[in-house]
Amino acid sequence: DIQMTQSPSTLSASVGDRVTITCRASQSIRSWLAWYQQKPGKAPKVLIYKASSLESGVPSRFSGSGSGTEFTLTISSLQPDDFATYYCQQYNTYPLTFGGGTKVEIK
Amino acid sequence: QVQLVQSGAEVKKPGASVKVSCKASGYTFTYYYIHWVRQAPGQGLEWMGGIYPNSGGAIYGQKFQGRVTMTRDTSISTAYMELSRLTSDDTALYYCARDGELERRNVIDYWGQGTLVTVSS
Repeated sequence: DIQMTQSPSTLSASVGDRVTITCRASQSIRSWLAWYQQKPGKAPKVLIYKASSLESGVPSRFSGSGSGTEFTLTISSLQPDDFATYYCQQYNTYPLTFGGGTKVEIK
Repeated sequence: QVQLVQSGAEVKKPGASVKVSCKASGYTFTYYYIHWVRQAPGQGLEWMGGIYPNSGGAIYGQKFQGRVTMTRDTSISTAYMELSRLTSDDTALYYCARDGELERRNVIDYWGQGTLVTVSS
């Protein structure tokens, strides 16, 4: 199975900060990576697919980059609604696998 | 609008089985793969497998092979996930979720509300 490792596991930030989350794959997944946001008590919501494509309706402050084994999710200016947990997911190979999550907390 | 409505919470004893249903509406059920993802309390997301509603063909994560069965009833647009030989480690929120389309294949774009399965003696 392809292992997905996210860092950091927790991130403390303030409204307006630029935030970057990293996701590393144990082998190349080309660009087959998605990012999800999950809020407490809610199902995840897809933000980014194919490493850098913004899902319809997602604010443009979210962006993704990377290919191969290293990927990043960037929030250009953190908003109050963005405090949540973020997961990466590879879909290059079955089984689909998720990173362990990054919780973005209020500083 | 696309909706996935799951069956209610379950409490099971160790060694028992559980079957969770997922009723789809708002789209053509047979056109989109259905994934099953679980989340243990306070933990991350774990993909269990999925099923092609059109053919009934399923792919299971190796961790769940031999213990999970995914089926569907196209006449009522419903997918099912049955997990057997339950242990306390299976206590989790179980989600059904719909696959995306075109270049979003294997990206999950719609989720059910989740079904909490508690395994306790």
